[in-house]
Amino acid sequence: GAVVSQHPSRVICKSGTSVKIECRSLDFQATTMFWYRQFPKKSLMLMATSNEGSKATYEQGVEKDKFLINHASLTLSTLTVTSAHPEDSSFYICSARDRGITDTQYFGPGTRLTVL
Amino acid sequence: GNSVTQMEGPVTLSEEAFLTINCTYTATGYPSLFWYVQYPGEGLQLLLKATKADDKGSNKGFEATYRKETTSFHLEKGSVQVSDSAVYFCALRRGQNFVFGPGTRLSVLP
Repeated sequence: GAVVSQHPSRVICKSGTSVKIECRSLDFQATTMFWYRQFPKKSLMLMATSNEGSKATYEQGVEKDKFLINHASLTLSTLTVTSAHPEDSSFYICSARDRGITDTQYFGPGTRLTVL
Repeated sequence: GNSVTQMEGPVTLSEEAFLTINCTYTATGYPSLFWYVQYPGEGLQLLLKATKADDKGSNKGFEATYRKETTSFHLEKGSVQVSDSAVYFCALRRGQNFVFGPGTRLSVLP
């Protein structure tokens, strides 16, 4: 079964509103989670690394004030797209790192954001 | 820097045909290598992986061998099915960071 969940799976919002996406690790504690963005028919681009209890690390070119990340607990990270615009429409995927024996990362099912 | 290159798609095959999707990488040190599959409208699912040179990852009839000398990790399947239609991503991992290839879309026709 799925070990990382995302909510919501789809969201449609009006331009100018803020949208929060949740990423949860279901069977393990994840001190580190990652947020990716995928444009249509393109690959995944890492946006930021989310660390529990500290500030996220953003990749070059990603606006931290636009994409707010909060890793409030060992099983939850949230990505908030603030003042969304149509160009923010995309597929957002999170992954969570399980530092157990296999040190595996598990990917969530993704959230499709459409900004009208 | 680290990068992953995949063959351009889309790839269209008939059912039961042989599949090869080429993947080469550039990386410092010795990364782990992965193939992920993405079905329409869904997130990524791990298909197989290899963590060191000459390792072979396999799953659901798919195979890929970590070739250090050619820096390659080509994906193969002997007989594809319609249900294999998806986008396939080759990826490397150094430390905790993944680098993904551009993806190859596979369509299998009945």
